[in-house]
Amino acid sequence: GQQLNQSPQSMFIQEGEDVSMNCTSSSIFNTWLWYKQDPGEGPVLLIALYKAGELTSNGRLTAQFGITRKDSFLNISASIPSDVGIYFCAGHSGGSNYKLTFGKGTLLTVNP
Amino acid sequence: EAGVTQSPTHLIKTRGQQATLRCSPISGHTSVYWYQQALGLGLQFLLWYDEGEERNRGNFPPRFSGRQFPNYSSELNVNALELEDSALYLCASSPLRQGKFSGSPLHFGNGTRLTVT
Repeated sequence: GQQLNQSPQSMFIQEGEDVSMNCTSSSIFNTWLWYKQDPGEGPVLLIALYKAGELTSNGRLTAQFGITRKDSFLNISASIPSDVGIYFCAGHSGGSNYKLTFGKGTLLTVNP
Repeated sequence: EAGVTQSPTHLIKTRGQQATLRCSPISGHTSVYWYQQALGLGLQFLLWYDEGEERNRGNFPPRFSGRQFPNYSSELNVNALELEDSALYLCASSPLRQGKFSGSPLHFGNGTRLTVT
C-alpha cells in the first residue's frame, strides 16, 4: 500500500526560529494536505495543495507540492508558543476510490 | 457554521463489550470518514460512507462496522472490544463532487476517546 514518510518525528525549537518538515511518498499523489492537531482536539486543516509545484502560504505557514508529486514540505516562520502541536501531512492519489493516506506526524515543541 | 460533532467525548468499556460512537457532519457534507488514532501510530483509515453507503474500508477486522443515516450522520460500532482498540476515534466530513472524492479537504471532529479495560 501507499506509504508516507514524514520527518522529523519531533522537533524542539526556540521561539522565533523557523521550522521545516516534509513528507515523501513511494507513489504519486494528486493532493497534499497539511493538518495541525492540538492536544485533545481533532486535526485542523492548515493548507491544501492540488497542483505539482504549487506553493501556498497561510500566514506564517508555507507549503509546497513537490514537482515529482511524491513529496511536500511545510515551513513555519518565526515560531510562537501556540505553534506547539502535531503536524500531519496527508496525500490523496486521485480517482473515485477514496485513498487519503496520513503521515505519522511531527511533534513540534516551542520553548518560549 | 457548526463543525463536525462527535459523541461521546469519552467512553470506557471492558473487554468483550460493544462500543457505539456517533458523528454529525458539517451541514451540506455528504461524506463521513472514520479514523483510528492510537498512541504513536498516526491516523489509520477505518471507513468511508457517502450517501448512506459504505464506499471503502481500511485494513480493520469486520468487528469494526458502521452506518450512515439519511441525514448523513454516522455511527461507528466496535464489537467484541479488545484492549488494543483503546484509541482516539476521529470522524471527518467532506463534500463530494459528482460522487467522486476530489481531494476536498476533510474537516475533523474532536474525537471520541475510547478506553478498553
